[in-house]
Amino acid sequence: SQQGEEDPQALSIQEGENATMNCSYKTSINNLQWYRQNSGRGLVHLILIRSNEREKHSGRLRVTLDTSKKSSSLLITASRAADTASYFCATDVYNFNKFYFGSGTKLNVKP
Amino acid sequence: GAVVSQHPSRVICKSGTSVKIECRSLDFQATTMFWYRQFPKQSLMLMATSNEGSKATYEQGVEKDKFLINHASLTLSTLTVTSAHPEDSSFYICSAVDGTGVAKNIQYFGAGTRLSVL
Repeated sequence: SQQGEEDPQALSIQEGENATMNCSYKTSINNLQWYRQNSGRGLVHLILIRSNEREKHSGRLRVTLDTSKKSSSLLITASRAADTASYFCATDVYNFNKFYFGSGTKLNVKP
Repeated sequence: GAVVSQHPSRVICKSGTSVKIECRSLDFQATTMFWYRQFPKQSLMLMATSNEGSKATYEQGVEKDKFLINHASLTLSTLTVTSAHPEDSSFYICSAVDGTGVAKNIQYFGAGTRLSVL
């Protein structure tokens, strides 16, 4: 991808389990954001974490950021079938005022 | 929340024709809009950054004469795929950034346009 990679590429879990996705990026950033995309649709913003933050929570979502390793993780707790979607991280590249997306993780939550 | 409208949602055209895609921010002013292309089962590839009143900035490898971008107002950016060919078939998505307030730096996405060139 233009900026980074995500792993795993695909993740299949049972409803109620936790899902963890990881994102690595290449350059210095202002912030990192996570988005969700349902098949064939636009993206929905989930959460933003700034470069000076290490952890952030929003409902069932928990995001961590390690700028020394240039990596972030998204944890979805107590997953539901409705969480089935592709999840992308996006980095707001320092000084360039543009966003690059990771390769994405396709999450399948089985009921 | 902020809404971005993208139109059309789907277009089928003959090879050689031009196709215009519109991206509108409905309830905020977007000084910057972005255009992405997404291939099946792949991530979004940034094509260009569109700033109101100035020329778009294209990513390396994106043909500016092929993909014309106009950002004539704070609420509208258009992408025109000129002389479309089958290899231009793809899912095109726009996003807009509300540069003010707590939502600063968050991208709001349109629903995307699926272009099929026959």
